[in-house]
Amino acid sequence: DGGITQSPKYLFRKEGQNVTLSCEQNLNHDAMYWYRQDPGQGLRLIYYSQIVNDFQKGDIAEGYSVSREKKESFPLTVTSAQKNPTAFYLCASKGVQVGADEQYFGPGTRLTVT
Amino acid sequence: QQPVQSPQAVILREGEDAVINCSSSKALYSVHWYRQKHGEAPVFLMILLKGGEQKGHEKISASFNEKKQQSSLYLTASQLSYSGTYFCGTEEGSGGSEKLVFGKGTKLTVNP
Repeated sequence: DGGITQSPKYLFRKEGQNVTLSCEQNLNHDAMYWYRQDPGQGLRLIYYSQIVNDFQKGDIAEGYSVSREKKESFPLTVTSAQKNPTAFYLCASKGVQVGADEQYFGPGTRLTVT
Repeated sequence: QQPVQSPQAVILREGEDAVINCSSSKALYSVHWYRQKHGEAPVFLMILLKGGEQKGHEKISASFNEKKQQSSLYLTASQLSYSGTYFCGTEEGSGGSEKLVFGKGTKLTVNP
């Protein structure tokens, strides 16, 4: 089955530690996205990538880093510089050909930092 | 930059209708609608493109007023399965950015 996987579903970390969230897709999509979701705030874009080895900052990139070494994978690192990292993180992907309109979302990772 | 959705929440009885609005201060190329159930991933409902093209869900309709930079989602004869939070995502400018800006969501509850 084609889809997007995110792991783990729940993640707990101590303040001051970096943590990497996994996102893998087998949909052969070129574009991939990371969103952060807080209660009442909707989905806010952290980073996105339209092609391997290239990515752009979204609206709330500070304190986060990404890499795109493979088409299938777009890991997100939440660094210790992120002041309020506890949130629900969603990864998405999308084809870039004409008519490919839908972003497909993974099941999300709920990160708790204490 | 973030589009404004209204209302923030709505409660319906099964069979009733609802309208959810999405308004932007920017010129829009497209508006996308998603529904998210609690603890799950958002699911695509439909896209409305500049120029009038509309693609998506069979039982849910929407409109896109390009001049007013507004879109409305129409949920008719609501079913229990329609419950969830609805998000609009807007693509600004002339398209091709591959980037959406989402509103804060409208929580819809359908009761029996």
